[in-house]
Amino acid sequence: GAVVSQHPSRVICKSGTSVKIECRSLDFQATTMFWYRQFPKQSLMLMATSNEGSKATYEQGVEKDKFLINHASLTLSTLTVTSAHPEDSSFYICSAREGDRGDTGELFFGEGSRLTVL
Amino acid sequence: GQNIDQPTEMTATEGAIVQINCTYQTSGFNGLFWYQQHAGEAPTFLSYNVLDGLEEKGRFSSFLSRSKGYSYLLLKELQMKDSASYLCAVLESNYQLIWGAGTKLIIKP
Repeated sequence: GAVVSQHPSRVICKSGTSVKIECRSLDFQATTMFWYRQFPKQSLMLMATSNEGSKATYEQGVEKDKFLINHASLTLSTLTVTSAHPEDSSFYICSAREGDRGDTGELFFGEGSRLTVL
Repeated sequence: GQNIDQPTEMTATEGAIVQINCTYQTSGFNGLFWYQQHAGEAPTFLSYNVLDGLEEKGRFSSFLSRSKGYSYLLLKELQMKDSASYLCAVLESNYQLIWGAGTKLIIKP
């Protein structure tokens, strides 16, 4: 199956700093990528939908100035957590869809990135 | 409104069969996914159903009835490594995925 690589897998940072997480589709072109956040023992929460070459669409309640998403190419999307605070500590997961928007393609997930803000 | 229901937790015995149900009410329908998630890891794809009926993949099978808003994931010949959370997710007509809360499956020897 297709591979989505997410980096870094774990990151610890100080409060007030910014952290960038990368999501790459290794063997397919992903027009659309999704960013999720998961709190312990809870289901995945969609944060935003990232479309190549355009602005990301954020879900209600997600601060777009705090969670910057850039989808500069068909194989790379980045999530930057700006001015991170301890409450931003969470498991962040990206996924990418293989195929065009009109295709209900299978979703493939990255390995996830565990962010800890001290 | 959007709603996906699945049991919170199920327990089964190694070697047995277990069926995890999922009912949904969403805005439009472009298919239903089942994902497996082990603790601390990202979900991995198990199945995708967009037409009614049963799809079989080895020990795992998934069933869909669109008219009933119902799906199930069937796991046969259970192994200890099948202990995980199983997530049901529906792809709406706007291509957003709506996730269930997941069913924690506990396998006992």
